[in-house]
Amino acid sequence: SQTIHQWPATLVQPVGSPLSLECTVEGTSNPNLYWYRQAAGRGLQLLFYSVGIGQISSEVPQNLSASRPQDRQFILSSKKLLLSDSGFYLCAWSAPRGKNTEAFFGQGTRLTVV
Amino acid sequence: QQPVQSPQAVILREGEDAVINCSSSKALYSVHWYRQKHGEAPVFLMILLKGGEQKGHEKISASFNEKKQQSSLYLTASQLSYSGTYFCGTEIHPGTYKYIFGTGTRLKVLA
Repeated sequence: SQTIHQWPATLVQPVGSPLSLECTVEGTSNPNLYWYRQAAGRGLQLLFYSVGIGQISSEVPQNLSASRPQDRQFILSSKKLLLSDSGFYLCAWSAPRGKNTEAFFGQGTRLTVV
Repeated sequence: QQPVQSPQAVILREGEDAVINCSSSKALYSVHWYRQKHGEAPVFLMILLKGGEQKGHEKISASFNEKKQQSSLYLTASQLSYSGTYFCGTEIHPGTYKYIFGTGTRLKVLA
């Protein structure tokens, strides 16, 4: 069966510090991968999505970046965090091309920038 | 571009019914529904792929009106466990895999 791992679960970082959140998927090949951010009490904002290694689509022009160094690994990064980067970050995957299935989410990372 | 859900929030007593709507300004090719408990990741409820399709999941069902570019989620005889935030999700264009979610509806069921 497929599983998705996301870590860390909680993170407190000072303004201006770097960020690296990692997400890995097991049990499937060539998944579509996503990063979402959810501000407190708000909806899910799509940040990045990827349909293959090295293929990253950015939805939000901010100080965040994403990389997919391996088929089932998706990394969200920042060189310098802003207070506005605080939120609940969710990684998700869906079945690869040709199939219409739902998104499966990791457990999320709660990031607080202080 | 983000689908708009209504109502934004609703409070129910156990056993009451609720309807959550999801409307898009652009064509909807498929609609997924999710429920998110506080502090947790969203959990998939159901997918509707065709216009007019209706599906059910326990006492939760949904419909999809492709022409009106909207979907509705029906919760009947609500239970305490139904509390959470409900999101509709959709792929912007088939084959792009750009997957976005609606604005969300907070549902609270009281005993």
